[in-house]
Amino acid sequence: EVQLVQSGAEVKKPGESLKISCKGSGYSFTTYWIGWVRQMPGKGLEWMGIIYPGDSDTRYSPSFQGQVTISADKSINTAYLQWSSLKASDTAIYYCARNRIQGATEQPFDSWGQGTLVTVSS
Amino acid sequence: EMVMTQSPATLSVSPGERATLSCRASQSVSSNLAWYQQKPGQPPRLLIYGASTRATGIPARFSGSGSGTEFTLTISSLQSEDFAVYYCQQYNNWPPRTFGQGTKVEI
Repeated sequence: EVQLVQSGAEVKKPGESLKISCKGSGYSFTTYWIGWVRQMPGKGLEWMGIIYPGDSDTRYSPSFQGQVTISADKSINTAYLQWSSLKASDTAIYYCARNRIQGATEQPFDSWGQGTLVTVSS
Repeated sequence: EMVMTQSPATLSVSPGERATLSCRASQSVSSNLAWYQQKPGQPPRLLIYGASTRATGIPARFSGSGSGTEFTLTISSLQSEDFAVYYCQQYNNWPPRTFGQGTKVEI
């Protein structure tokens, strides 16, 4: 069974750094693109970026380029999303999700993590 | 950047009725269009990919159609568990793989 298990909720202050994680299991972690999606409170889904753990090829949405860093550690089947300096507007649920087809780029997400709530407040 | 526009924003229907949701792309996405369902407190679930192919385990009452810039998700006979928010997403021209703003299906 494919599973993506995300790290727990975080409460941070503006200006702090943060790295959240997404651990994949039940499939070949290195051969499926994994992406991150933001959902601000009461709002819709926003595609942030995606990484291919096999070679760390990473693509970002222009809206998130330079604002976050996506990475992966294939030795422990884990993808990451990190911020160097959080803002209140980063408060949201962040989902990781896996592409439907191994190795393919033009694919939707067919498996999702449970989401990580990040709250940034002074 | 690609813009995906869903309509209506809210759809009020009764159980057993048919629901038709629309999604329009600002430029052609071929058939690289997916639909997701999201219920409160849950992650999205993939319903349809390739504009018209049901994902694994999705009931036959869900169907998708369209290509290019105009797409439709139809729920043939709404069940109580179908009341949720539905999102379309293009994955043809990326990054980013843009989502629509969502359609809430309510009673």
